[in-house]
This record gives sequence, C-alpha cells and structure tokens, in this order.
Amino acid sequence: NAGVTQTPKFQVLKTGQSMTLQCAQDMNHEYMSWYRQDPGMGLRLIHYSVGAGITDQGEVPNGYNVSRSTTEDFPLRLLSAAPSQTSVYFCASIPWGRGHANYGYTFGSGTRLTVV
Amino acid sequence: AQTVTQSQPEMSVQEAETVTLSCTYDTSENNYYLFWYKQPPSRQMILVIRQEAYKQQNATENRFSVNFQKAAKSFSLKISDSQLGDTAMYFCAFMLYSGGGADGLTFGKGTHLIIQP
Repeated sequence: NAGVTQTPKFQVLKTGQSMTLQCAQDMNHEYMSWYRQDPGMGLRLIHYSVGAGITDQGEVPNGYNVSRSTTEDFPLRLLSAAPSQTSVYFCASIPWGRGHANYGYTFGSGTRLTVV
Repeated sequence: AQTVTQSQPEMSVQEAETVTLSCTYDTSENNYYLFWYKQPPSRQMILVIRQEAYKQQNATENRFSVNFQKAAKSFSLKISDSQLGDTAMYFCAFMLYSGGGADGLTFGKGTHLIIQP
C-alpha cells in the first residue's frame, strides 16, 4: 500500500498565482483532510471530507477550496496565492465509522509551499 | 471548541535518560482520543501512541508510555531509555468521535525534543 500520497513535495508560487495540491489515498478511507503547519503553531485543519461529494470547513479555510469527486482523491486548491499561505501542507485520512477512530490518522509526507 | 496545550517548546536530555513531555487539553466532551505524533526532520508525521478516553489503563508502546489523567485533562508522554533517533518535534493531538466516526485533529504547538549523545 502506498498510503497517502501528496504531490508536489515542494512548490514556489508568485503572489496571485493559482495551483492545486494533490492528495490520493489507496486505503479506501472515507475521511480525508488538509492541514497546514506553520512554525510555532502546530497543525491546523483547513478542510475535510467524510466521503465523495461531501466537504466542510475546518479552522482556517479562507483562501482554499476543496472538492471530493472520488473516495481516493482530495485536492486542495489555492485560487490566488498570498504570502500568508506559505506553509507546509499535510493531507491525512482515517477510516470513517464507529470503531475505526482508534486507527488514528495516516498522513502524507507534506508539501512545502512558498509564495513570493 | 477543544484546545491542546504543550507548555515545553524545547527539551534536551542525554541519551539513555528518561524524559517526559507534557500536554493538557480542554474539552467538555466525553468521547475522544488522544495521540502523540512524532515529526523528525524528514517532516513525516509518525503516530507514536494513542489513548481512548474511556480506557483507564495508560497506553504503552515499547519505550513510550503515557500518563493519562482524565479528570485533570492531562496526557503526558514518557520516553524511556531515550535514543538519538528520538530527536524530533512531538505533537499532542485531540480527536473527538461520535456515532458517525472520527472528527478532525486539534494539535498542540509541539515540543522540540533533542537527545544529546
């Protein structure tokens, strides 16, 4: 199993550019989510999805869009990048349903994004 | 809303020593999990240990153990016989769960643990 795969690993954007961070998992996990990690802040939830066609906002959703058309993929879109979005982004997934919570989340390896 | 507090930004110990990382949390819910994640310089998030709130017995995983004090809302991580490879950022995390399943994770700000040779 590949687990959770994120691409790209590194990206530099200019202010105002758009891009999509890709996330794919092959574990048939219903629940997928995006976090950003900033120095001294821990990880904060951006958006999440409990299944195809269902998404919702987390703690810091502004400036980001998501969609979930398949169980496997959960892309994160930056429509107009800003320097404040410079961060490390993690995708994470977990099986959904009572009794599965103890599995804990599986994280991707992260994307380091720099907006100049 | 839930909050997680890690009061030690950085700790340094000698190899083979025992070290304890502190974590406190705040919630009014009853159904939740607590986790410790390790993040080495590779930035991969690695699950170290998990604790379900309704289980009174403290979780252990080899050299890693927790002291879970539910009434005090405290969840500390003890690393015994510390090794150079334990050098990393350690994050305490909280997760609610309901009849539907897991919720998102709330993280503390992390503790940078340095194991000195």
